[in-house]
Amino acid sequence: DTVLTQSPALAVSPGERVTISCRASESVSTLMHWYQQKPGQQPTLLIYLASNLESGVPARFSGSGSGTDFTLTIDPVEADDTATYYCQQSWNDPWTFGGGTKLELK
Amino acid sequence: QVQLKESGPGLVQPSQTLSLTCTVSGFSLMDYSVHWVRQPPGKGLEWMGRMKYDGDTYYNSALKSRLSISRDTSKSQVFLKMNSLQTEDTAIYYCRRGFDFWGPGTMVTVSS
Repeated sequence: DTVLTQSPALAVSPGERVTISCRASESVSTLMHWYQQKPGQQPTLLIYLASNLESGVPARFSGSGSGTDFTLTIDPVEADDTATYYCQQSWNDPWTFGGGTKLELK
Repeated sequence: QVQLKESGPGLVQPSQTLSLTCTVSGFSLMDYSVHWVRQPPGKGLEWMGRMKYDGDTYYNSALKSRLSISRDTSKSQVFLKMNSLQTEDTAIYYCRRGFDFWGPGTMVTVSS
């Protein structure tokens, strides 16, 4: 199975730029998606196919990468962005999730 | 608009079978795949399996021996059945359209 590795946690100040990384154990082409999950809620799609912004998601969010290395960028970070962020690949079966990166604001 | 809603028993006894239903609206099951994802309390997301738009299924290899996904297109429903439940199967179970829309999830507790 394709293993996706994310840093467990990050802490940033409002107004800063933050990058959240996701590294795949094998190539997933550009079939990588990013989700935001706030406490007590279901995840919501932010970025699909590595770099496409989902409708309704603020332009502060962006995604990049291909192959094995992917990045979710939030610039500038706002207080409401406190959440856990997950990457998921859909290139190789079974689809797999990263372990999640918990973003906290200072 | 696109909606998905999970339903099922909140409590299941150990060794029993879990049956969940995902009822969808706003799209056809013959046009989109539906996936099942679960999340144990305080932990990350686990992809369980999918029902493709053409009726094909694929399962997480760790769950394959216990898991079955089926559908009734006339009722716009996708079903999950998983047997031999243990306490570690306690989780919120979500259904999701493709990689975009998620249901609100349903909490399943495995306990005697």
